[in-house]
Amino acid sequence: TQLLEQSPQFLSIQEGENLTVYCNSSSVFSSLQWYRQEPGEGPVLLVTVVTGGEVKKLKRLTFQFGDARKDSSLHITAAQPGDTGLYLCAGGGYTNAGKSTFGDGTTLTVKP
Amino acid sequence: DAGITQSPRHKVTETGTPVTLRCHQTENHRYMYWYRQDPGHGLRLIHYSYGVKDTDKGEVSDGYSVSRSKTEDFLLTLESATSSQTSVYFCAIKTSPSTDTQYFGPGTRLTVL
Repeated sequence: TQLLEQSPQFLSIQEGENLTVYCNSSSVFSSLQWYRQEPGEGPVLLVTVVTGGEVKKLKRLTFQFGDARKDSSLHITAAQPGDTGLYLCAGGGYTNAGKSTFGDGTTLTVKP
Repeated sequence: DAGITQSPRHKVTETGTPVTLRCHQTENHRYMYWYRQDPGHGLRLIHYSYGVKDTDKGEVSDGYSVSRSKTEDFLLTLESATSSQTSVYFCAIKTSPSTDTQYFGPGTRLTVL
């Protein structure tokens, strides 16, 4: 069974601060996704990373896939209240028959 | 917008009653998934489908069954609802067989009294 551990579980910061969320596993993943979920809604895809060492940027968000494809990080620069939400990472396995493994999520609160 | 709808969006039912949740997609994608989301547990896979009449169990399938008689519809049935099945249920689709990226519906909040 593939497991993904996210840390921290909860994060509360002031507007303008930087933060990093981590997603770690002992398993190798064929790709890794980051989602953001707001209360009462389904998760929305932010990014997919597929190559070890890959870095993708989405405005103030920077995503990195570990060289060994076992871990990933999400860095937010100058956080804004609109970044508040639940951030989920998910990994696809080579032998998972189309299934993904999800982390338990990081709840981010950005205070104005 | 991946064209996924779920119905109903909210439901309150009593222990022991059968409940069916519906997921509908408009784009004929092959892979469809049912998850439940509970505080502290993230998203857990209940069942998934890789084609019409082709389904398989996920990690928390006990007490749930699914059916897929048409490409566009994936039904999740609780044969006899229990309070432990109170949760938010999400349907998802995978739009490409070569990627693990999934797109989610808006969710169904189910309360079993």
